[in-house]
Amino acid sequence: DTAVSQTPKYLVTQMGNDKSIKCEQNLGHDTMYWYKQDSKKFLKIMFSYNNKELIINETVPNRFSPKSPDKAHLNLHINSLELGDSAVYFCASSRDRQETQYFGPGTRLLVL
Amino acid sequence: AQSVTQPDIHITVSEGASLELRCNYSYGATPYLFWYVQSPGQGLQLLLKYFSGDTLVQGIKGFEAEFKRSQSSFNLRKPSVHWSDAAEYFCAVGFIGGATNKLIFGTGTLLAVQP
Repeated sequence: DTAVSQTPKYLVTQMGNDKSIKCEQNLGHDTMYWYKQDSKKFLKIMFSYNNKELIINETVPNRFSPKSPDKAHLNLHINSLELGDSAVYFCASSRDRQETQYFGPGTRLLVL
Repeated sequence: AQSVTQPDIHITVSEGASLELRCNYSYGATPYLFWYVQSPGQGLQLLLKYFSGDTLVQGIKGFEAEFKRSQSSFNLRKPSVHWSDAAEYFCAVGFIGGATNKLIFGTGTLLAVQP
């Protein structure tokens, strides 16, 4: 009965590769988010989708592209990975734009 | 600009002692306020939240927090800490009335519990 799930949990890859992280929520929520947690544990929002529509796009390199095939899924694709992309990426969801956000377990990305 | 400050990077308490983690925010309107906990290698778990009403809110695991508008603070408290409370604690602020719900997080406080 996992609420917000992410795959994979760990991702180790080489610089220059392209990778995707998947997120699914079974809470029936309308809004989903991607956050990045850096090596100092600082969390910052990257993107937010509401009913499959992009509503937040922070200053994130174009190499990062979110895709929401339906309300329950928000995937993150990263092109041409760089060392600085190494971080923990958290997916979250909320019932609507101004409700409590529930977080997934995170995907730990290491770029070598 | 909106910001959240957690002045204590690292706190160590003895098991059974009381705990208070500080959180101050800078925001022009009434905020949503949250405390999340992150255990090592784990995701973020919601401890409690304040949207409106009673300024003293109760959360899970025996935690509580008090919203003090005059001090722009939302400190987290627990009367008696357990060893399992050792984790990283994040305070977060959300917008009210806007078109989005973008959480702004503090830098976290790492809690260590001594036996």
